[in-house]
Amino acid sequence: GAVVSQHPSRVICKSGTSVKIECRSLDFQATTMFWYRQFPKQSLMLMATSNEGSKATYEQGVEKDKFLINHASLTLSTLTVTSAHPEDSSFYICSAIARTSYEQYFGPGTRLTVT
Amino acid sequence: QQPVQSPQAVILREGEDAVINCSSSKALYSVHWYRQKHGEAPVFLMILLKGGEQKGHDKISASFNEKKQQSSLYLTASQLSYSGTYFCGTETLTTDSWGKFQFGAGTQVVVTP
Repeated sequence: GAVVSQHPSRVICKSGTSVKIECRSLDFQATTMFWYRQFPKQSLMLMATSNEGSKATYEQGVEKDKFLINHASLTLSTLTVTSAHPEDSSFYICSAIARTSYEQYFGPGTRLTVT
Repeated sequence: QQPVQSPQAVILREGEDAVINCSSSKALYSVHWYRQKHGEAPVFLMILLKGGEQKGHDKISASFNEKKQQSSLYLTASQLSYSGTYFCGTETLTTDSWGKFQFGAGTQVVVTP
């Protein structure tokens, strides 16, 4: 099946620093990628929709200046958490929709801990 | 708007059956089902696109009732590997929401020996 990778899988950073998370579709092209955040024992919450070559669309309540998304190619989207704070600690998951099918594939997630 | 899943949790003995329901207040274009193990990303199980459609994946099947705006996931003869949290993701019938999913709160399934 299609594979989506995320890097890093786990990151611990100090408050005030920025963290970049990469999401790659390894064996397919994805015109659309999604970024989700999941707090412990909660459901996935969509943060933004990332389309290749255009600006990301953010969900209500998600600060676009804090969560910078860049979809540089059909296989790579990045999420940068700027000036991270402890409340940004969460599990960040990306997903990608393959151009040739309708299935959505999830990355393995990145666990961010801000101290 | 987030779909409503029920039950919140279910404990089964190996071999027993269970049904998880997912309902929406909006007209649906598709329903996706995922299973998530603790600390891992969700794994896609199946997608249902048409009203009345049914699909199967091993002994896990699902139905989609378009009129009732709901879907049900059936776990038949459950195995230990079925343990996890099951999420439904729904896509509504608006052009600007293509591919955007709202996930239910999840149903925790525990299968015991």
